[in-house]
Amino acid sequence: GAGVSQSPRYKVAKRGQDVALRCDPISGHVSLFWYQQALGQGPEFLTYFQNEAQLDKSGLPSDRFFAERPEGSVSTLKIQRTQQEDSAVYLCASSSGQGAIYGYTFGSGTRLTVV
Amino acid sequence: GQQLNQSPQSMFIQEGEDVSMNCTSSSIFNTWLWYKQDPGEGPVLLIALYKAGELTSNGRLTAQFGITRKDSFLNISASIPSDVGIYFCAGMNYGGSQGNLIFGKGTKLSVKP
Repeated sequence: GAGVSQSPRYKVAKRGQDVALRCDPISGHVSLFWYQQALGQGPEFLTYFQNEAQLDKSGLPSDRFFAERPEGSVSTLKIQRTQQEDSAVYLCASSSGQGAIYGYTFGSGTRLTVV
Repeated sequence: GQQLNQSPQSMFIQEGEDVSMNCTSSSIFNTWLWYKQDPGEGPVLLIALYKAGELTSNGRLTAQFGITRKDSFLNISASIPSDVGIYFCAGMNYGGSQGNLIFGKGTKLSVKP
């Protein structure tokens, strides 16, 4: 596609519910990144894929967070047993190069609200 | 998590004014990036800097990579209404993960009432 597509745009989850957030990167982009942006803050790194390999997951805040990119294109960020502090915008980005050095293209994000 | 110090936190602009904002870090970075984010959208890359001392322009925007590698600034000349939004600096270390950009908290530009 022309840009990075994320779905759903908005998600309301009851505390304890599992959620899955989808990212469709720009076609052919090797690198894919997930960031979490709390209200009034800058994005914070969660995890990074190069093709299907998850090269860095150091930013995932707990073992309730899990990301995958099984075929090296679409990626899913899963959050199990959601808690109120998980409420944030989850941004996906992709890049044609290896890593972030070239800057990358962000999607519009998924706003998750846990009630 | 670690974040950069970005200032000012917010500012009001009048059309035609020049705007300056900066970003500092306690760590050395090898790459500095500046992004703009509009409400409900993801950040959009404005300028990328790769060498200490580098000065780069993109239209009315000019950014510099500080000599110490610990700071960067962004200038906007002759501001227009569509410049309103939140501007983020972001830095990266080669020694760290190639995917790990560290973002500032943002500078919010609004129009003077």
